[in-house]
Amino acid sequence: KQEVTQIPAALSVPEGENLVLNCSFTDSAIYNLQWFRQDPGKGLTSLLLIQSSQREQTSGRLNASLDKSSGRSTLYIAASQPGDSATYLCAVRQRDTGRRALTFGSGTRLQVQP
Amino acid sequence: NAGVTQTPKFQVLKTGQSMTLQCAQDMNHNSMYWYRQDPGMGLRLIYYSASEGTTDKGEVPNGYNVSRLNKREFSLRLESAAPSQTSVYFCASRDTLYYGYTFGSGTRLTVV
Repeated sequence: KQEVTQIPAALSVPEGENLVLNCSFTDSAIYNLQWFRQDPGKGLTSLLLIQSSQREQTSGRLNASLDKSSGRSTLYIAASQPGDSATYLCAVRQRDTGRRALTFGSGTRLQVQP
Repeated sequence: NAGVTQTPKFQVLKTGQSMTLQCAQDMNHNSMYWYRQDPGMGLRLIYYSASEGTTDKGEVPNGYNVSRLNKREFSLRLESAAPSQTSVYFCASRDTLYYGYTFGSGTRLTVV
């Protein structure tokens, strides 16, 4: 059974810092990996989608990498801002199940201090 | 705006009551999903529908039923609500080209 782990569970940084969020998964047979942002009491907003054949994806200050063989992904946030404060979730889509659903990590709760 | 729409946003039920959570997407996606999110448990799949007319169980289906009414709509029904079903429920759909998922804003359900 696929398991997704996110470290750290919580992170507090001063504004302007570059930071890295980590995601690891136990089964490398994945179609893709997706990073989401969730604000308190809100839904999930998709940030980046990396296909299994890709190594990284970039959107603005965000860069996500994927190393499928080692079962790891990182989300890099450059020049963090207070507006980046949220919970960040990674999720993988398994290759060899019929349901084609996502398996989620428990998230990293990020607080950026002004 | 294109996306996934869930109703209602909030609901309080008494134990034993029934209700249906509604979900609709306007992106012409084939696959739709229902997840629940609980503190410390992450998101867990309840039911999914790979296409119109088909549904299948996910990780935590007990106590729920679903209906894929048409390609746009996928509803989740609680026949006899229990306090253990207090949670935030998310509907999602998946695009068929890049296999990315779009989530609704959620329904916060409390069963007392």
